[in-house]
Amino acid sequence: GQNIDQPTEMTATEGAIVQINCTYQTSGFNGLFWYQQHAGEAPTFLSYNVLDGLEEKGRFSSFLSRSKGYSYLLLKELQMKDSASYLCASMDSNYQLIWGAGTKLIIKP
Amino acid sequence: DVKVTQSSRYLVKRTGEKVFLECVQDMDHENMFWYRQDPGLGLRLIYFSYDVKMKEKGDIPEGYSVSREKKERFSLILESASTNQTSMYLCASSRAEGHQETQYFGPGTRLLVL
Repeated sequence: GQNIDQPTEMTATEGAIVQINCTYQTSGFNGLFWYQQHAGEAPTFLSYNVLDGLEEKGRFSSFLSRSKGYSYLLLKELQMKDSASYLCASMDSNYQLIWGAGTKLIIKP
Repeated sequence: DVKVTQSSRYLVKRTGEKVFLECVQDMDHENMFWYRQDPGLGLRLIYFSYDVKMKEKGDIPEGYSVSREKKERFSLILESASTNQTSMYLCASSRAEGHQETQYFGPGTRLLVL
């Protein structure tokens, strides 16, 4: 079956670095997406990886290992506004997104 | 700027009522999607559409139908609302130029069925 696993909740300190992991098993693979969702708001696109390696975009980076079925989102210099849920989604062979349940990130001062 | 709007942020309906959720996008996107989001679960695809008058079932279409009469508008219909349809409903759209196109989401409609 198709499955996306990510931790339910993580806590980090303002100014620190946090890594949110995601493992996936999907029928075929056409890329891995990360979205950010603040409470009560729409998910917004953060990153897309289809090749192995690290993609850096400002304070946020995303990594993919296709052989391991693994991705992570790295957030540096954490700010209070980074408190949100982070959704991992894998695109399967039918180009449909299979979503994880999301990781709620709590930032403490 | 990309914009997807949904007709209501909050709705309260009674069991058995017919419910219409409207979604409009102003980006001229071909693809539109309806998801529901429940605590502890990932987004689940209800229906999607790749073109006007076209619709495809997603993973959980039972109890729902959709309508796409115009490119910019995709409606989700609950023919006879039930309490297990209490959820957050999210609409999304994307371009069709590449299958791996980013989906843009509306703000969501939180539906409570009593």
